[in-house]
Amino acid sequence: GAGVSQTPSNKVTEKGKYVELRCDPISGHTALYWYRQSLGQGPEFLIYFQGTGAADDSGLPNDRFFAVRPEGSVSTLKIQRTERGDSAVYLCASSSTSGSTQYFGPGTRLTVL
Amino acid sequence: QKEVEQNSGPLSVPEGAIASLNCTYSDRGSQSFFWYRQYSGKSPELIMSIYSNGDKEDGRFTAQLNKASQYVSLLIRDSQPSDSATYLCAVLSGGNKLVFGAGTILRVKS
Repeated sequence: GAGVSQTPSNKVTEKGKYVELRCDPISGHTALYWYRQSLGQGPEFLIYFQGTGAADDSGLPNDRFFAVRPEGSVSTLKIQRTERGDSAVYLCASSSTSGSTQYFGPGTRLTVL
Repeated sequence: QKEVEQNSGPLSVPEGAIASLNCTYSDRGSQSFFWYRQYSGKSPELIMSIYSNGDKEDGRFTAQLNKASQYVSLLIRDSQPSDSATYLCAVLSGGNKLVFGAGTILRVKS
């Protein structure tokens, strides 16, 4: 079946702009996760959704970052007033239930100029 | 101290040899452990999961877990050039989020 999909695959923006990154999880997966990966590092947790609600947003670095999952399927990560330090690969993962194996999407490479 | 630690490598092994990748973690209460493989420019792909002390084998891969020593390892037998990648160790924290090590770069030379 189809895996996790993410759009866009690449996003280049200017400092101060607003960006939205989209994640479409595996069909039927109730848990959805966002991670951020910088060069040479492992992915770092940002936020976790169980259904429509953000069950754990402890990894969001500051209030410029926000994510939604209004219908319990597709999720959007929103970054306001982007900074050069936000440049990274943003990975989305989903799992059938909380705590089960997480499957990753291809990621969105965000570059803030 | 980082929550999950891995030697960054690169670890170089000849084709056909056994590659041994190691990982230590700090949270003694952790129960679920994962190895992901990540090719350059690609996203992490699950290789193995392990939950109980001891060994778990899947084809050429064996995961080993020692909770008393807070240590997880991945053995790759008969290493192939296609195994060259970064291997990420991950620990499930708080029942939902994965905490990753920085990864070990493996190079298999033909």
